[in-house]
Amino acid sequence: QQQVKQSPQSLIVQKGGISIINCAYENTAFDYFPWYQQFPGKGPALLIAIRPDVSEKKEGRFTISFNKSAKQFSLHIMDSQPGDSATYFCAARGSGNTGKLIFGQGTTLQVKP
Amino acid sequence: GAVVSQHPSRVICKSGTSVKIECRSLDFQATTMFWYRQFPKKSLMLMATSNEGSKATYEQGVEKDKFLINHASLTLSTLTVTSAHPEDSSFYICSARQGTMNTEAFFGQGTRLTVV
Repeated sequence: QQQVKQSPQSLIVQKGGISIINCAYENTAFDYFPWYQQFPGKGPALLIAIRPDVSEKKEGRFTISFNKSAKQFSLHIMDSQPGDSATYFCAARGSGNTGKLIFGQGTTLQVKP
Repeated sequence: GAVVSQHPSRVICKSGTSVKIECRSLDFQATTMFWYRQFPKKSLMLMATSNEGSKATYEQGVEKDKFLINHASLTLSTLTVTSAHPEDSSFYICSARQGTMNTEAFFGQGTRLTVV
């Protein structure tokens, strides 16, 4: 119940295209869903996050879509750029577990010029 | 924005020795710090959660005598890998949070440990 399942494992997109990464969870106690971007040899950086009381959040080219009934959420990267090439992790956090994050398996995105 | 700094960024040590990794919150007081381990092309695995002035809470399967965590101040937590062996080679990442469990945690840049 503590798992967050992320797909796909890897993704190749042409420059200007839309990158879509999906995550699913089971624990309904999760109440915060962030996405992190990680470049090789670096720590993850918060990209965008959403709470389950909204269905969508947009920040620049990055959008989170959230489907509470399906217990799924996804990251959309519009107008993908080569600089977006990185590993992306979804995560979930529940108020009842000291606020620790449960991470998805990660998606390696390659944006071809 | 909040900055979390890890030191060193890379370290090579001999098998059997101990190595200490520092995690500092530079512009905020971190009441809670988290330590993660990440294998190549894998996700982050939480090792332990530490609250300032308290003993760390280790995740199941993590040897607390092997990975010593100290959170003696509101801006510094340390992870000491004792009697390191090649299988301890990994990327170690800390994150720090100010305030309650609902506030955002910020990540350090990670430490690449290689045990030879």
